[in-house]
Amino acid sequence: DTAVSQTPKYLVTQMGNDKSIKCEQNLGHDTMYWYKQDSKKFLKIMFSYNNKELIINETVPNRFSPKSPDKAHLNLHINSLELGDSAVYFCASSRDRDQPQHFGDGTRLSIL
Amino acid sequence: AQTVTQSQPEMSVQEAETVTLSCTYDTSENNYYLFWYKQPPSRQMILVIRQEAYKQQNATENRFSVNFQKAAKSFSLKISDSQLGDTAMYFCAFMKEGYSGGSNYKLTFGKGTLLTVNP
Repeated sequence: DTAVSQTPKYLVTQMGNDKSIKCEQNLGHDTMYWYKQDSKKFLKIMFSYNNKELIINETVPNRFSPKSPDKAHLNLHINSLELGDSAVYFCASSRDRDQPQHFGDGTRLSIL
Repeated sequence: AQTVTQSQPEMSVQEAETVTLSCTYDTSENNYYLFWYKQPPSRQMILVIRQEAYKQQNATENRFSVNFQKAAKSFSLKISDSQLGDTAMYFCAFMKEGYSGGSNYKLTFGKGTLLTVNP
């Protein structure tokens, strides 16, 4: 009965590859988010979707592309991975835009 | 732009004692939300407590309570009867309220305070 689930939990890959991280929530929430946590534990918003519509798009390289096929899913695709992309990526969801956000367990991405 | 400052990178407390984590923020907004999230070594991000800026009453959740001082832009977290399981990184976060644009609704986090509860 996981509320917000991300796959995979760990991702190790080579520089230059393309990879995707999937996120699904079974809470019936309307809004989903992607956050990046760097090596110093600092968390920063990347994207947010509300009812499949992009509402937040922070200053993120265009190698990062979110995709929301439906309200329950928000996937993150990353092209041409770079060393600086190594981080933990968190997916989150909330009932509406101003409601508390519930986080997934994170995906640790390591670039070799 | 909003900023959130947690001035204590690390703190420690003895089991069963009380500890207070500080957080200050900078905003010109009148309506907003404040949160404390906990990240234990397992890496999960767990919502601890939420405060609406329009409410004067401080939020409480069991052993966790806040001291919200709107004029001072201060939002500290008090943990009573500390338990070993409280060992975690604690993040203070701010979110604007309102439907005026996409810059709202994002959580702006502080850099975190690593709390260690000692037996």
